[in-house]
Amino acid sequence: DSGVTQTPKHLITATGQRVTLRCSPRSGDLSVYWYQQSLDQGLQFLIQYYNGEERAKGNILERFSAQQFPDLHSELNLSSLELGDSALYFCASSVAEGRNTQYFGPGTRLTVL
Amino acid sequence: AQKVTQAQTEISVVEKEDVTLDCVYETRDTTYYLFWYKQPPSGELVFLIRRNSFDEQNEISGRYSWNFQKSTSSFNFTITASQVVDSAVYFCALTVASGTYKYIFGTGTRLKVLA
Repeated sequence: DSGVTQTPKHLITATGQRVTLRCSPRSGDLSVYWYQQSLDQGLQFLIQYYNGEERAKGNILERFSAQQFPDLHSELNLSSLELGDSALYFCASSVAEGRNTQYFGPGTRLTVL
Repeated sequence: AQKVTQAQTEISVVEKEDVTLDCVYETRDTTYYLFWYKQPPSGELVFLIRRNSFDEQNEISGRYSWNFQKSTSSFNFTITASQVVDSAVYFCALTVASGTYKYIFGTGTRLKVLA
């Protein structure tokens, strides 16, 4: 158990809908990262927050947004969902940024029908 | 720009064989960090090791060992006497001490250990 929690574990929804994925980092970790892993694909970095501030953006679509709250938990919002958004979404946390080890949550499996 | 290459897409071995997973990285930074993660069939990503660019000592942890060679920009991972439970996808990753704070992941190597 990495100490990073993600909810829900599974999510099934329809095209055009909006969903919110939630992540709670390990105790003491200030940085949160979001990744998308599509079927048979590698890990695509989406976005990173540090202590409430956005710090880095990767291949995140405009339909997706995220934020980190004062209690350090983070939410990833996915809107106008398409079939291709079906994937495993991981959250990771680290103490600070850059060189620190990232510990991953169990992931949220999103299925868009 | 940083890059991580895991050229082996899939490897199959028979139980008790040794297997080496290759990782080649590219970066112009002198201070960087390399990682290996394991993703078993259950899907979670498990941290295995972190190595900084100033520490070229090889590391051994049980049946796992890592060989870091700056001269060839490689950070290879060897499993000795493989077991079925080692079956997973293994990812190598790189981050640098400055810049955008992104982790750069390789595409992963799927290891199948057959009984």
